[in-house]
Amino acid sequence: QVQLQESGPGLVKPSETLSLTCSVSGASINVYYWSWIRQPPGRGLEWIGWIHYSGSSNYNPSLRSRVTMSVDASKNHLSLDLNSVTAADTAVYYCARYGTMYYFDYWGQGALVTVSS
Amino acid sequence: QTVVTQEPSFSVSPGGTVTLTCGLRSGSVSTSHYPSWYQQTPGQAPRTLIYNTNTRSSGVPGRFSGSILDNKAALTITGAQADDESDYYCVLHMASGIYVFGGGTKLTVL
Repeated sequence: QVQLQESGPGLVKPSETLSLTCSVSGASINVYYWSWIRQPPGRGLEWIGWIHYSGSSNYNPSLRSRVTMSVDASKNHLSLDLNSVTAADTAVYYCARYGTMYYFDYWGQGALVTVSS
Repeated sequence: QTVVTQEPSFSVSPGGTVTLTCGLRSGSVSTSHYPSWYQQTPGQAPRTLIYNTNTRSSGVPGRFSGSILDNKAALTITGAQADDESDYYCVLHMASGIYVFGGGTKLTVL
């Protein structure tokens, strides 16, 4: 069974870098594409970007200048870095797998990150 | 900037049928956007309902169906049940390779 688990600091200061890790079990990370998606409290879902083990990636144009994603096959996990954060980046961050039909088939439970001094 | 539109809220009676839509502010939605639909209840991660326009995800009841209607993706719930009361999100895959979520529809069953 495929399981994804996000982890990282729950509190980040403004202007610093938000860093999260998604640990994957039940699936090989170097086979699939992986996405990060976020949801501010009380609001809708926002796609952040996707990455493939090969190194190819694509990011939401509104976040592209601040986002970096990476994959570590040796640990079977993926990472998200979002720099220069503000309160507007406060959200639950999800990692998700997507496949050949361009949909997100497995989701993590999400990690709440609050940006505050 | 690509904007995907959804009804902010909708209401359906138990046993009734409701169709939620997912459109583009500029342009038409087609199967080439591979529309998918997700159900989310408070505090939970989204659950995949429909992908590739009209394919139900494993374990999803047959009362959920997807289609293209009037240049929009559509999610129809036939015979709504109380536990269908949730937020519903669509997402489109764009030619540039990015994904865009709609703003979500809050469905009330009463």
